[in-house]
Amino acid sequence: GAGVSQSPSNKVTEKGKDVELRCDPISGHTALYWYRQRLGQGLEFLIYFQGNSAPDKSGLPSDRFSAERTGESVSTLTIQRTQQEDSAVYLCASSLGTSGRGRGETQYFGPGTRLLVL
Amino acid sequence: DAKTTQPTSMDCAEGRAANLPCNHSTISGNEYVYWYRQIHSQGPQYIIHGLKNNETNEMASLIITEDRKSSTLILPHATLRDTAVYYCIVRTSGAGSYQLTFGKGTKLSVIP
Repeated sequence: GAGVSQSPSNKVTEKGKDVELRCDPISGHTALYWYRQRLGQGLEFLIYFQGNSAPDKSGLPSDRFSAERTGESVSTLTIQRTQQEDSAVYLCASSLGTSGRGRGETQYFGPGTRLLVL
Repeated sequence: DAKTTQPTSMDCAEGRAANLPCNHSTISGNEYVYWYRQIHSQGPQYIIHGLKNNETNEMASLIITEDRKSSTLILPHATLRDTAVYYCIVRTSGAGSYQLTFGKGTKLSVIP
């Protein structure tokens, strides 16, 4: 596609429920990132996928958070037993994943999924 | 990655050039300067990046000082749609440096 897409755009859930967020990266981009942005705050890195390498999960805030990626395409971020502090905008970005002159590493962001946990 | 310092906010008259400064005095030789912006309720949007030379694209120009300790993003003819928070990010190229660290940025308000 032309850009990174995410779904749903908005999600309201009850505390304790599981949610699944989807990201479709730009076609041909091997690197994919998930970030979280709480209201009025900066972006927090969550997880990074690069090709077939093991993902870097160092930013995941707890074991309730997990993410999967199928090959070099769609990724899903799953939050189990949601808590009110999980309310945030979840942003996905992708990049070509190749280094060199910074171009391949430029990250392009999707519109985000706004998650509200009641 | 090196730390950046930006003014908290700036105003610019519509149609005039917006010049957004960024200090990155501890930048090292292999670190790029990236600029993103975030319009309210949207995901961050890539604007431009550079290493040493000045860069220009359809959105903006990036002027990097010779010592690379500061840079300026220039929006040549600001419009109301350019109102956003602008982030200057210094980032190493290569493995193990993939995540972007967004600071507080500069809130640019374009005034009619």
